[in-house]
Amino acid sequence: DAGVTQSPTHLIKTRGQHVTLRCSPISGHKSVSWYQQVLGQGPQFIFQYYEKEERGRGNFPDRFSARQFPNYSSELNVNALLLGDSALYLCASSRGLATYQETQYFGPGTRLLVL
Amino acid sequence: GESVGLHLPTLSVQEGDNSIINCAYSNSASDYFIWYKQESGKGPQFIIDIRSNMDKRQGQRVTVLLNKTVKHLSLQIAATQPGDSAVYFCAENLYGNKLVFGAGTILRVKS
Repeated sequence: DAGVTQSPTHLIKTRGQHVTLRCSPISGHKSVSWYQQVLGQGPQFIFQYYEKEERGRGNFPDRFSARQFPNYSSELNVNALLLGDSALYLCASSRGLATYQETQYFGPGTRLLVL
Repeated sequence: GESVGLHLPTLSVQEGDNSIINCAYSNSASDYFIWYKQESGKGPQFIIDIRSNMDKRQGQRVTVLLNKTVKHLSLQIAATQPGDSAVYFCAENLYGNKLVFGAGTILRVKS
């Protein structure tokens, strides 16, 4: 089975632009989470979606938004890009929402560079 | 607060030796912990997990130890190989799948 896939792999944008990142979860997984990883740091939680509904949000501004589609794929949108948004954006999928013990499997990430 | 930290930012070991990577967590309510390995240019790869009702769990060449009294987690890698060179993150699972990661430890394996 294919793992989590993300597109594009790399992206260069300029300040003020908008970007859309895409993620396809592992087949059978219904939950998708997004993380931002700045160089030299651990991933930071942005969003979690389950059954097309937002189930969790991290400390990110409203410029960040996401959605999940009926096929459980997901998009992360970032508006009015800032230089500080340059990072590796990771998508992770898990089978479903649980109080704990749901292993999250990560995709390869999208490397975003904002100039 | 929510924070997971690592004691050693870089660990260098000789090939064939055992490696121990440590992690401290701050949320005493956390009940599920995961170790991930991240190679350059790739996403984090699941290594092993442990639930709070366990003290130890073993996988293939890896062992995770959990000490809830001092809120400490460790990853032991036996017979470290060059392919083990990567950044290792511990993470705690909060509020239904929100992972809180530490900063990471770089493991360098010398041949």
